[in-house]
Amino acid sequence: GQQLNQSPQSMFIQEGEDVSMNCTSSSIFNTWLWYKQDPGEGPVLLIALYKAGELTSNGRLTAQFGTTRKDSFLNISASIPSDVGIYFCAGRRGGGADGLTFGKGTHLIIQP
Amino acid sequence: GAVVSQHPSRVICKSGTSVKIECRSLDFQATTMFWYRQFPKQSLMLMATSNEGSKATYEQGVEKDKFLINHASLTLSTLTVTSAHPEDSSFYICSAKATGDLRTFGSGTRLTVV
Repeated sequence: GQQLNQSPQSMFIQEGEDVSMNCTSSSIFNTWLWYKQDPGEGPVLLIALYKAGELTSNGRLTAQFGTTRKDSFLNISASIPSDVGIYFCAGRRGGGADGLTFGKGTHLIIQP
Repeated sequence: GAVVSQHPSRVICKSGTSVKIECRSLDFQATTMFWYRQFPKQSLMLMATSNEGSKATYEQGVEKDKFLINHASLTLSTLTVTSAHPEDSSFYICSAKATGDLRTFGSGTRLTVV
């Protein structure tokens, strides 16, 4: 199945640094979602974006829905140890109860 | 709200046997549930869309006779991996459509076929 192009694949940062990751697609999505997955668990929703150009924050997290509807980014400010995990972007085309298309994930590792 | 419970969390089975995984929406009704498969260090791949009271819709390349889906009630969908083989070993995750576009995920089932 199709996947979104998510980058970077992994990030090694120092605690307190800001983080930025993004997803791109060759086709349009009507909804962009960002999830975090801890080992052995299901993904947990962080931010949902519904309109092109929309910029939404959730605490230290900020995400934007690209104006072309083919991309989205997620920023994490002032990273802390519990931010460690795998972050996935996901897109939904719309028009009913269709499933999500996921990016390949960004593995965030924080060095003390 | 919008909690999805998945059971079992881990299962080990012998090659050739069948395994049933349950996905329940605990505090809401879900007319649609989704089943995903995730291989180690890979992304989630949609396998099928489960619709209450009707047949599931399978993604291209997913064998419907191998992965049986039953969505008999508004709060329960089951995925049965029939005649499991080692290559079916994976992390299976369900999600349920709650209100609007939000999808809540279960905690996943780690299947190991030996």
